Amino acid sequence: GESVGLHLPTLSVQEGDNSIINCAYSNSASDYFIWYKQESGKGPQFIIDIRSNMDKRQGQRVTVLLNKTVKHLSLQIAATQPGDSAVYFCAESSGNTPLVFGKGTRLSVIA
Amino acid sequence: SAVISQKPSRDICQRGTSLTIQCQVDSQVTMMFWYRQQPGQSLTLIATANQGSEATYESGFVIDKFPISRPNLTFSTLTVSNMSPEDSSIYLCSPNRGSEDTGEQYFGPGTRLTVT
Repeated sequence: GESVGLHLPTLSVQEGDNSIINCAYSNSASDYFIWYKQESGKGPQFIIDIRSNMDKRQGQRVTVLLNKTVKHLSLQIAATQPGDSAVYFCAESSGNTPLVFGKGTRLSVIA
Repeated sequence: SAVISQKPSRDICQRGTSLTIQCQVDSQVTMMFWYRQQPGQSLTLIATANQGSEATYESGFVIDKFPISRPNLTFSTLTVSNMSPEDSSIYLCSPNRGSEDTGEQYFGPGTRLTVT
């Protein structure tokens, strides 16, 4: 099938370790951020979001951190599993404008 | 979350032909976004479609090449016209955030287009 993220930066993590995926954004007016997971042959899957009035939000095994000062967003995955292997995209929006996507990072989990 | 389906899921087309991609959502949504994902790349917005008005296209995309229809609040189509190999991409539809504009934005499974 169609491969996603052939030329993207890759993060390799041992199974069970924590993963940290980083994203820099450029629009200081962005007030809403989302992390997506995309597996090969599938559309992007919503993971977690955060609004600019927060600097941290936790979900199930995932945490998103937002640093507005340096315009940086990170996704932390605890106890990484083989099923977490995918390409991860951050996306940003200002008000109700359409999402603008970052370049993506391929996460490879080593069993 | 909204249930979004796309047809076809994939297609192989000859250059010079056109393909219409359908997107169906299980709830009424105000806006429908169409994105393109070229091989190995991130998602790029093509256009935003509202019911009853002409779609708004992003820089680099034009209506003649990517005509869009939005006949009702649950359905939209994107046509890729006069295709060339450079149009080989995944095309994705996405309704505006949540079925009630409350936040999360979801994507369809995508249509994988290969132009030969």
